[in-house]
Amino acid sequence: ILNVEQSPQSLHVQEGDSTNFTCSFPSSNFYALHWYRWETAKSPEALFVMTLNGDEKKKGRISATLNTKEGYSYLYIKGSQPEDSATYLCAFTGNQFYFGTGTSLTVIP
Amino acid sequence: ETGVTQSPTHLIKTRGQQVTLRCSSQSGHNTVSWYQQALGQGPQFIFQYYREEENGRGNFPPRFSGLQFPNYSSELNVNALELDDSALYLCASSLYGGDRGEQYFGPGTRLTVT
Repeated sequence: ILNVEQSPQSLHVQEGDSTNFTCSFPSSNFYALHWYRWETAKSPEALFVMTLNGDEKKKGRISATLNTKEGYSYLYIKGSQPEDSATYLCAFTGNQFYFGTGTSLTVIP
Repeated sequence: ETGVTQSPTHLIKTRGQQVTLRCSSQSGHNTVSWYQQALGQGPQFIFQYYREEENGRGNFPPRFSGLQFPNYSSELNVNALELDDSALYLCASSLYGGDRGEQYFGPGTRLTVT
């Protein structure tokens, strides 16, 4: 069984704060690393797919970096807003998708 | 929203019964994957279907089975339900061999086994 770990498990921040969380994965047999944003009662929404060591992706106030050699990815949210409240999941793709347990973010107005 | 739909949204079954969950994939996608998310865990891969054949399976017993139809929609069947089968079941569609394996998820079916 392949371990994908996310930390922290949950996070509460004030509106306007910047925050970041971590996804750790095995550094061998790497194909891609996916980040999803998942609001309650909705479908997980794809944020980023990252494949190359050193990749940096950005979508508005959200960005992500990837280090395949040491097996981690960071997701950053700049100036958090209440609508950013969601669970953020990462998934490592080797021969199948392996998900972490997610980081639950609550942004307090 | 992704265009992937699942039905039903919720259902309640009794231990020992059988259940069928349904998934319609996004237009243009030919592959469907199914995941189980138990409380407090990340989604766990059950299996994937491509061209109506199983194309990879996670660590789930044979009582979890599936079908894919010519229109690429899919069913997940679970026989002899156990209490531990209570979970959210997600399906995801993708294009086989497509760009970096991107998958698009439906909203899930919440199954409760009593």
